[in-house]
Amino acid sequence: DADVTQTPRNRITKTGKRIMLECSQTKGHDRMYWYRQDPGLGLRLIYYSFDVKDINKGEISDGYSVSRQAQAKFSLSLESAIPNQTALYFCATSDLAGGAYNEQFFGPGTRLTVL
Amino acid sequence: AQSVTQLDSQVPVFEEAPVELRCNYSSSVSVYLFWYVQYPNQGLQLLLKYLSGSTLVESINGFEAEFNKSQTSFHLRKPSVHISDTAEYFCAVSEAGGGNKLTFGTGTQLKVEL
Repeated sequence: DADVTQTPRNRITKTGKRIMLECSQTKGHDRMYWYRQDPGLGLRLIYYSFDVKDINKGEISDGYSVSRQAQAKFSLSLESAIPNQTALYFCATSDLAGGAYNEQFFGPGTRLTVL
Repeated sequence: AQSVTQLDSQVPVFEEAPVELRCNYSSSVSVYLFWYVQYPNQGLQLLLKYLSGSTLVESINGFEAEFNKSQTSFHLRKPSVHISDTAEYFCAVSEAGGGNKLTFGTGTQLKVEL
């Protein structure tokens, strides 16, 4: 089984709809991240969480919210989806020990299309 | 704040030829440097990383990268590429004391042709 899973893998929705993307991990890591990937822009950090009670905004958090329901679960919500939120979304995890040089482990991604 | 520049968005190369993917970074503090690879329809996975010590780091599949502090670069090289190396490659930087937040470059698509 994959260590970092994301659901759904693909989603098509309409402008104005509320959408939740879910991420679960079995690696036992404290730190979790949400990124979006756009062609030609690379990956940009939306939100990150260093433990269940610690949630922080990334560089592009506007229009998004997150919930860390447990150490293993980190959800990303789009309260009112808009077309420019069409992108590939990745969840990632890393271990607390070691800090800034730790490898991040990525899920397979969720492709979201907002019409 | 740190930033990463990957000037080449696409690099076509023939199989068994050498390749270099360029990465330059900017930061006011010490950094850790990473190369991640994304195969088609997959998530990213770590290829190699520089933390400290020897400036030349190697991966298990023949890639290597050299940290050059004076030129603020971390270019990725492979002396002989294979079709299976076709993927998108991302350079990333994490600032010491920055809590493991990665800043990614825009990516370089490596296309290996027969």
